[in-house]
Amino acid sequence: HVQLQESGPGLVKPSQTLSLTCTVSGDSVNSGRFYWTWFRQHPGKALEWIGYSYYSGATFYTPSLESRVTISLDTSRNQFSLRLKSVTAADTAVYHCARVGAYSEVRGDETWGQGTLVTVSS
Amino acid sequence: EIVLTQSPATVFLYPGERATLSCRASQSITNFLAWYQQRPGQAPRLLIYEASIRATGIPPRFSGSGSGTDFTLTISSLEPEDFAVYYCQQRGDWPVLSFGGGTKVEIK
Repeated sequence: HVQLQESGPGLVKPSQTLSLTCTVSGDSVNSGRFYWTWFRQHPGKALEWIGYSYYSGATFYTPSLESRVTISLDTSRNQFSLRLKSVTAADTAVYHCARVGAYSEVRGDETWGQGTLVTVSS
Repeated sequence: EIVLTQSPATVFLYPGERATLSCRASQSITNFLAWYQQRPGQAPRLLIYEASIRATGIPPRFSGSGSGTDFTLTISSLEPEDFAVYYCQQRGDWPVLSFGGGTKVEIK
């Protein structure tokens, strides 16, 4: 049974760096079957894709955040992380990690973490 | 950038009724369209991918159809747990993903 769990500070000051970790159980981040992905959801708003990292080292980011975001895999701890620098109040959101199928045969096994609220405030 | 427009924004239905939700893409995405369900306080759950394939564990009352720019999610008979927000997501602009604004299905 696959589980993903986000962790990290719930409060970040403006201009600082938001750092979150997703711990994966029941699967390996070294698997080529999934993209290890971060999404976010502003309060009361729609979902937004942030980016993903693949076991090969490839990363893809949404254009609007590309200059501020880094997603990386830690295969020794079976985790992946999100770093978002120079945050503002507009980055206040619930952040979800997820495994997204890399091809059709595993697309249906997509799994999300419960999410963690990050508030940007001084 | 591909924009997804969902309609209606909110729909009021009775349990047991049929729900028909629409998602329109600003340009063709062939069949690279997914549907998600989000209940209050919960993570989104993948229901349908590649326009019409049910994800693992999704009951058959959920079905998807469409191709190109127009897509539909149908719930054949609403159960109490189906009252939630539904989002469509496109993967046709690979590697970029984007979501529609959501449709809320509320109890009448």
